[in-house]
Amino acid sequence: RKEVEQDPGPFNVPEGATVAFNCTYSNSASQSFFWYRQDCRKEPKLLMSVYSSGNEDGRFTAQLNRASQYISLLIRDSKLSDSATYLCAVTGSGFGPGTRLSVLP
Amino acid sequence: DTGVSQDPRHKITKRGQNVTFRCDPISEHNRLYWYRQTLGQGPEFLTYFQNEAQLEKSRLLSDRFSAERPKGSFSTLEIQRTEQGDSAMYLCASSLESGQGFQNEQFFGPGTRLTVL
Repeated sequence: RKEVEQDPGPFNVPEGATVAFNCTYSNSASQSFFWYRQDCRKEPKLLMSVYSSGNEDGRFTAQLNRASQYISLLIRDSKLSDSATYLCAVTGSGFGPGTRLSVLP
Repeated sequence: DTGVSQDPRHKITKRGQNVTFRCDPISEHNRLYWYRQTLGQGPEFLTYFQNEAQLEKSRLLSDRFSAERPKGSFSTLEIQRTEQGDSAMYLCASSLESGQGFQNEQFFGPGTRLTVL
């Protein structure tokens, strides 16, 4: 079993849609959680850290559920520019395989 | 530019040759990571340094791979006797850690794309 798993994707959604990604992890001792965005042939860049209480940054909302060992990312009112691969990262476990999002006009 | 830099950006080599990649982290960052990434996969952890000390090395890392960070600044990753399966993007990342359990975000370099013929 992989330490970090993500929704397999790809997700193809129309502009303006709301889309949610999930990420599960196996190491219950993990303390820090992140969502990164990776554009094609580019390096990953931090999208947002995930805090225990959940956090929001504009159209993006991240949630952490320690009991069930998963984190989620919600994107509201999706834009064409949101098309990318979204990677979750969990300390002590590494990166998930990523979920690719394509926002269609 | 004060970001993470990597050199070279691309490397094509023949099977059996040795290659060496360099990473220059953000100057004040004390932690440096190496990852390998293939198409459709997330970054796969290889090793990391806290200052000049190599603290963890992936079980997946064969003895053909070696990394150094001699002065706690730049790092090199060497692959000896390259194989076609080594073809991948090699990513370096750095972070500033306070050592209090929680980890901070990692800043990635642009990567070195290795092709082994």
